[in-house]
Amino acid sequence: AQSVTQLGSHVSVSEGALVLLRCNYSSSVPPYLFWYVQYPNQGLQLLLKYTSAATLVKGINGFEAEFKKSETSFHLTKPSAHMSDAAEYFCAVSRTGTASKLTFGTGTRLQVTL
Amino acid sequence: DTGVSQDPRHKITKRGQNVTFRCDPISEHNRLYWYRQTLGQGPEFLTYFQNEAQLEKSRLLSDRFSAERPKGSFSTLEIQRTEQGDSAMYLCASSLVNDRKNYGYTFGSGTRLTVV
Repeated sequence: AQSVTQLGSHVSVSEGALVLLRCNYSSSVPPYLFWYVQYPNQGLQLLLKYTSAATLVKGINGFEAEFKKSETSFHLTKPSAHMSDAAEYFCAVSRTGTASKLTFGTGTRLQVTL
Repeated sequence: DTGVSQDPRHKITKRGQNVTFRCDPISEHNRLYWYRQTLGQGPEFLTYFQNEAQLEKSRLLSDRFSAERPKGSFSTLEIQRTEQGDSAMYLCASSLVNDRKNYGYTFGSGTRLTVV
């Protein structure tokens, strides 16, 4: 079975500060990993995905994530937070490909303060 | 391309009533997925279709839940005899899968169900 664990249900950063959202995965096979963002009362938007190519993945809105097999981690970072980044962020894993069933973490709510 | 559309956006129903939600995927997408998201949780997989065939159902999908995709285009999710525990956001997603590539998901905005 596959799973992801997101450490920290709430993260607060100042505008302009580094954003770091943590995700650790468990998988018996090489995983496909994803980060999604969800704004209030909206669906999920894909930020980036890891599909066994480059371990450093760049996504939309200035976000990136690094796949570290030795640490079973896929943390999401952004060098400088913007007020518009305030949202819920979900890490997800799939087994066999980018269009397979996704298993999501419980989410991290990012708050950006002035 | 208008994205994945879900209807209605919000539904309030009394316990014991039946409800039906509709999802219109991106037209060229052959896979369609349903997920459920309760407050404070990540989405949980319910079921998915490849064209009109329902290929997998989660154990979360009790006998009161049924999903169809009759012509391989839009899909409906019906909940019979709703219970308060069914209150959640129901998310639909679609994707294109062929021999050459998996193109990943596009999610709709969801249907929020409140059972009172």
